[in-house]
Amino acid sequence: NFMLTQPHSVSESPGKTVTISCTRSSGSIASNYVQWYQQRPGSAPTTVIYEDNQRPSGVPDRFSGSIDSSSNSASLTISGLKTEDEADYYCQSYDSSNVVFGGGTKLTVL
Amino acid sequence: EVQLVESGGGLVKPGGSLRLSCAASGFTFSSYSMNWVRQAPGKGLEWVSSISSSSSYIYYADSVKGRFTISRDNAKNSLYLQMNSLRAEDTAVYYCARDRYPYGDSGFDYWGQGTLVTVSS
Repeated sequence: NFMLTQPHSVSESPGKTVTISCTRSSGSIASNYVQWYQQRPGSAPTTVIYEDNQRPSGVPDRFSGSIDSSSNSASLTISGLKTEDEADYYCQSYDSSNVVFGGGTKLTVL
Repeated sequence: EVQLVESGGGLVKPGGSLRLSCAASGFTFSSYSMNWVRQAPGKGLEWVSSISSSSSYIYYADSVKGRFTISRDNAKNSLYLQMNSLRAEDTAVYYCARDRYPYGDSGFDYWGQGTLVTVSS
């Protein structure tokens, strides 16, 4: 079994760029696809990135995803930050057929 | 339009049981694996269970194994979660979520609005 570790919180100013990391504790980050979900207060999660770096239709290209085998981590980068991007973000992958979520990162845009 | 609507949540005493339902519409339910994910108050997302399209493959998180049972009725386009021996730590909003693709591990693309389960005496 492995864990996905995210920073508890990040903050940045509107218009800037922020990157949220998601580090896999064991096994290769490239072994299974990584997804990223955005969750605003009181709402269900929505996907912003799937299959490491794919954006669902309707998600602006300000959102991008990548994986880095050297650090065994995935990253979500949001450029041109808007106040509406303020939310919790969760990475997610798979351990055999079990689903693994990261602990979540609270993004504050101030 | 894809819709997932959970129901069945409520207040239950420790050791009690509850059955959650998720009514699906707007897609060919029988083609997709389905999942339950929960979120305790103020906490992160926790995967609970998954079931393949034909119920051939079923998986549980260790935290619920032996107490919860996932099932589906493709004729009724419905997903279920039978929860027994409930504990205070099972208190959470329970979401049903659809796999993005009929095959492969590419995450979830549709989520319901969630149903709140509170376990308290």
